Amino acid sequence: DAGVTQSPTHLIKTRGQQVTLRCSPKSGHDTVSWYQQALGQGPQFIFQYYEEEERQRGNFPDRFSGHQFPNYSSELNVNALLLGDSALYLCASSTRGVQETQYFGPGTRLLVL
Amino acid sequence: QKEVEQDPGPLSVPEGAIVSLNCTYSNSAFQYFMWYRQYSRKGPELLMYTYSSGNKEDGRFTAQVDKSSKYISLFIRDSQPSDSATYLCAMRTSGTYKYIFGTGTRLKVLA
Repeated sequence: DAGVTQSPTHLIKTRGQQVTLRCSPKSGHDTVSWYQQALGQGPQFIFQYYEEEERQRGNFPDRFSGHQFPNYSSELNVNALLLGDSALYLCASSTRGVQETQYFGPGTRLLVL
Repeated sequence: QKEVEQDPGPLSVPEGAIVSLNCTYSNSAFQYFMWYRQYSRKGPELLMYTYSSGNKEDGRFTAQVDKSSKYISLFIRDSQPSDSATYLCAMRTSGTYKYIFGTGTRLKVLA
């Protein structure tokens, strides 16, 4: 049983560029949440997608956007990258009725130069 | 003041010791509490979750929630070098899907 997968594993971009990160949820999961984890910090909630719609959003600017596809996979897009966007981006999946069992992927490490 | 506070450590203990990891929080509406383990350069791994107050045990791990003190704990018995990792607490209210994480405590178990 495949767990949560994310791609790419690492990414280097320059300021002002745009980036797309991808996530496939654990088998049987229909809900995807995205988190940003800066070095030495805990993950911070960006948003959650369910039924192809953004269900809740954290305190992140509109430069951060997402999408969920009919197969429950998801993308995170970040426009106009800033140096401060350098972080580990984590995807977590869960099922609608069991929010407590949220499983994380390995993350995508983004470096903005 | 952060909503969730966690001592960053590092906490160093000898192999076989009982480890106590703690988080305090300010929002009395938090109802769901989780503990994750995160190895270096990996995603967090779910260890335990509890709803509201009380204790929960799973193998060598015990999670406790004291809502009156706004304090949660994770105990690890018979600690092993493989337990060396960062431990994150996370919590949320019943009316949201957003988990608030602590900054994590680095644990080192010395062989």
